[in-house]
Amino acid sequence: EPEVTQTPSHQVTQMGQEVILRCVPISNHLYFYWYRQILGQKVEFLVSFYNNEISEKSEIFDDQFSVERPDGSNFTLKIRSTKLEDSAMYFCASSWGPGANVLTFGAGSRLTVL
Amino acid sequence: QQQVKQSPQSLIVQKGGISIINCAYENTAFDYFPWYQQFPGKGPALLIAIRPDVSEKKEGRFTISFNKSAKQFSLHIMDSQPGDSATYFCAASRVAGTYKYIFGTGTRLKVLA
Repeated sequence: EPEVTQTPSHQVTQMGQEVILRCVPISNHLYFYWYRQILGQKVEFLVSFYNNEISEKSEIFDDQFSVERPDGSNFTLKIRSTKLEDSAMYFCASSWGPGANVLTFGAGSRLTVL
Repeated sequence: QQQVKQSPQSLIVQKGGISIINCAYENTAFDYFPWYQQFPGKGPALLIAIRPDVSEKKEGRFTISFNKSAKQFSLHIMDSQPGDSATYFCAASRVAGTYKYIFGTGTRLKVLA
């Protein structure tokens, strides 16, 4: 069964450092997403990406966040200057279409900011 | 307006019992309601979903009941098994006009053998 692959599985970084989380979505999917889950809390939408541009973003996705699809297979989330409150599990997801289409999530990248 | 409230936070059920998880939403524009199952160390995976044009949808042991007037929907797991032990998230979205899901806070289910 096709799956969404995320790397790294766990990253520890110092506050203020830049972090890049990587994702390989399912190959025939056209819509890509990042969600995050702070420990013990709900899964929160960050951003969606289609046709090489951001289609929707939440208020969490401020100027310190950016996304990119650099090479047609990878989809990355960059956090420019990490804060303690960025510590969370970050999930990449992809879907064939928007809205009611099934989101397939990766296993997540756990980010710990010290 | 954008919140989805989920209860209970945790649930313990005996093997063979019925697990019931409830969700309520506020935004009447939502018209797609999926349930996701998450095992430790894994990402959420779609379990079952419903549109508001039906009041119930059943897939195997899993049933969604939907009450449009009350803006509530629930997941029923019949004949609960230890392998069902996981965290369950309800979510809401729109079929068109948005790309994001609004998730509930999750219910940690433990089924005792």
